[in-house]
Amino acid sequence: EDQVTQSPEALRLQEGESSSLNCSYTVSGLRGLFWYRQDPGKGPEFLFTLYSAGEEKEKERLKATLTKKESFLHITAPKPEDSATYLCAVRGGGADGLTFGKGTHLIIQP
Amino acid sequence: DTEVTQTPKHLVMGMTNKKSLKCEQHMGHRAMYWYKQKAKKPPELMFVYSYEKLSINESVPSRFSPECPNSSLLNLHLHALQPEDSALYLCASRTSGGGEQFFGPGTRLTVL
Repeated sequence: EDQVTQSPEALRLQEGESSSLNCSYTVSGLRGLFWYRQDPGKGPEFLFTLYSAGEEKEKERLKATLTKKESFLHITAPKPEDSATYLCAVRGGGADGLTFGKGTHLIIQP
Repeated sequence: DTEVTQTPKHLVMGMTNKKSLKCEQHMGHRAMYWYKQKAKKPPELMFVYSYEKLSINESVPSRFSPECPNSSLLNLHLHALQPEDSALYLCASRTSGGGEQFFGPGTRLTVL
């Protein structure tokens, strides 16, 4: 059974204070690790897909990295509009759907 | 365009009602999904349609009945729901190559 654990559960940062979110996973035959952003009451917004260890993707202030056991979402000089819940999900070899972690609730204070 | 649309945005129904949720995408994706998300929890997979055929049913109660009329549309028929079924219902579709799923805005369902 695929498992995804995210930490921390919640993170409060000052504007401009860089940090990283962690996603540890156990999956049989990884067919993709995905990061999403979700605002309250809305559907998840796709951010990144990572497929193999060593891969990195960047978008504005966000950078996602992948190892064989975990992924990190680095946020550089965040702004208040980056406040959201960030979800990590995996797609394993035996399933078509995604298995999600519980998310990290990120708050950026001005 | 990576848009998935869902209607209605909000739905309130009694336990004896029959209602349907609708989802539409025009990205040419051939896999579509229903997820259920309770407050402060991650989305949980309910159903998967691949090429308009139901391929995964995650032991969801029979009071939820999915339907895929064509490659662009996905319905979720609801009947005799319980208050604990109140949640945000999310539809998603997947690219055939990359595997990333794109989600709609969801339908907020309240069962009284």
